[in-house]
Amino acid sequence: ETGVTQTPRHLVMGMTNKKSLKCEQHLGHNAMYWYKQSAKKPLELMFVYSLEERVENNSVPSRFSPECPNSSHLFLHLHTLQPEDSALYLCASSQEFSTDTQYFGPGTRLTVL
Amino acid sequence: GENVEQHPSTLSVQEGDSAVIKCTYSDSASNYFPWYKQELGKGPQLIIDIRSNVGEKKDQRIAVTLNKTAKHFSLHITETQPEDSAVYFCAASIGDNFNKFYFGSGTKLNVKP
Repeated sequence: ETGVTQTPRHLVMGMTNKKSLKCEQHLGHNAMYWYKQSAKKPLELMFVYSLEERVENNSVPSRFSPECPNSSHLFLHLHTLQPEDSALYLCASSQEFSTDTQYFGPGTRLTVL
Repeated sequence: GENVEQHPSTLSVQEGDSAVIKCTYSDSASNYFPWYKQELGKGPQLIIDIRSNVGEKKDQRIAVTLNKTAKHFSLHITETQPEDSAVYFCAASIGDNFNKFYFGSGTKLNVKP
């Protein structure tokens, strides 16, 4: 299961820190996604990139800033987060921006102190 | 928008028994229904999916049924094994608009040996 990798796997940060999450897909896909998974809540789609262009931004606070430098890499830049932002952040990719199967990475467990 | 409800939130079965997880959706335009399995420390993995032009799909011990009239779909796992223990998520999406890809809140399945 190395199709989609995420680093780091765990991250603890203070509210004033700046950090970045990294996702890399080795599947040759054209679409990549960031999801937030909180305890006992459905997965929340945050951002969608298709061919390196952002196509969806579901009303995500500006303290989350995505970046897609190429079709294989996706970043989520974090700054001045709140404790309620603590969650598992999942990256996924699919062949195209459509209903194709999404392949998920293992996630980054983020804790904001 | 779409609302996907999933039941039960937890399910405990004896090894060898069957397990059934149900989801309902609200938007009759939904036409793609995947099921994901998430094991501890891993991202969700697609285990089976169904499109609206099919009523049932089976893959070995796993089957999914869809009732478009009633707007519900179910995951059936037969002859359960301890390794089936995980959290299962249903989802519904409409065509190729990823802004309308909604997940259920998950079912934690425990298979007791």
